[in-house]
Amino acid sequence: GENVEQHPSTLSVQEGDSAVIKCTYSDSASNYFPWYKQELGKRPQLIIDIRSNVGEKKDQRIAVTLNKTAKHFSLHITETQPEDSAVYFCAEALDSSYKLIFGSGTRLLVRP
Amino acid sequence: DTGVSQNPRHKITKRGQNVTFRCDPISEHNRLYWYRQTLGQGPEFLTYFQNEAQLEKSRLLSDRFSAERPKGSFSTLEIQRTEQGDSAMYLCASSVDSQPQHFGDGTRLSIL
Repeated sequence: GENVEQHPSTLSVQEGDSAVIKCTYSDSASNYFPWYKQELGKRPQLIIDIRSNVGEKKDQRIAVTLNKTAKHFSLHITETQPEDSAVYFCAEALDSSYKLIFGSGTRLLVRP
Repeated sequence: DTGVSQNPRHKITKRGQNVTFRCDPISEHNRLYWYRQTLGQGPEFLTYFQNEAQLEKSRLLSDRFSAERPKGSFSTLEIQRTEQGDSAMYLCASSVDSQPQHFGDGTRLSIL
């Protein structure tokens, strides 16, 4: 079945702390796992993605880890800043060219 | 800005009316996707095209919904006999080959 569970639904951290968001998927055939950031009233923007042939990917303060055996993947944001405050969505797909199945989102608040 | 463009940004209509939205993808992107997003939820897949061919339609897409991409460039999404439950943000995304999907700002539909 097509289902992505995302936790937590809300997350509040102090500026400078780390934030971790976790997603679990059900389709073992999925090979592509992007993360999108959506600010209020704006379009979802891709911040990082990972494919099933790697276990971890980093881009400055953002990292994603993937455990295909356990079917879960996580977003890690270090040294959080107020401008990181937004809703973050995980997604999964067979490949980036196929339909994305999204999680329900995590609202991240970074307190100054 | 050469990103995905959607028009109109907002549409308010009475229940029972027909509405049509337009999406202009990023130039030379051969794949085009439609998603629907309701408040507090992640985007839900509706349908997608490769060039002018519609490759998949979600079960969410009732027979009141129709999408076209006649020349493999822009796409239209039409909703006939709108219902209250159709109120949502309709997002369009595009991609090329195995590259990530890029989203437009969406069309917010409100049914009175």
